[in-house]
Amino acid sequence: DAGVTQSPTHLIKTRGQQVTLRCSPKSGHDTVSWYQQALGQGPQFIFQYYEEEERQRGNFPDRFSGHQFPNYSSELNVNALLLGDSALYLCASSPESGRKTTEAFFGQGTRLTVV
Amino acid sequence: GENVEQHPSTLSVQEGDSAVIKCTYSDSASNYFPWYKQELGKRPQLIIDIRSNVGEKKDQRIAVTLNKTAKHFSLHITETQPEDSAVYFCAASGAAGNKLTFGGGTRVLVKP
Repeated sequence: DAGVTQSPTHLIKTRGQQVTLRCSPKSGHDTVSWYQQALGQGPQFIFQYYEEEERQRGNFPDRFSGHQFPNYSSELNVNALLLGDSALYLCASSPESGRKTTEAFFGQGTRLTVV
Repeated sequence: GENVEQHPSTLSVQEGDSAVIKCTYSDSASNYFPWYKQELGKRPQLIIDIRSNVGEKKDQRIAVTLNKTAKHFSLHITETQPEDSAVYFCAASGAAGNKLTFGGGTRVLVKP
């Protein structure tokens, strides 16, 4: 089992550009969450996808959007990039288990640098 | 929404000593409290977790305690080793599902 995989590992973009990050969940997991981790801080929840729909959303602007595919993989899109969007973007997958919170497994992240 | 505070932000201990990290949370509906270890340039890895129906949980040199009344939980690492050096994050999750709210992290340095 490859665990949670993310691509690319590193990315440099210019202000105003758009970026797409990708995530493949751990085998058997159907729920994908995205987090933004600024340098020296804890991860901040962006949104969560389940059954191809956004189920929860954190305090992030509409420039941040996502998608989940039938195979449970997911994309994070960020439009009109700002310097402040520079961060490590983490994907976490977990198995859906009703109302019980389950363990989240993280990918290695995508380091996005906006210049 | 949920807010998680974590202290201290940095912790330096001598090898063999114990390390304690404390977190408080605001949402009384939170019922799942994981701890993650993140080494430089690597993914956060779950090291231990506890649910609200349990007061304490141990796994070898690591233990976590939970006080629901006071809304705080702590990580205890005994007999620290240099490989324990990393950033540790506490998190809380509740009725909102798998959404995790993280603390700000504690950088632990174990000096040989």
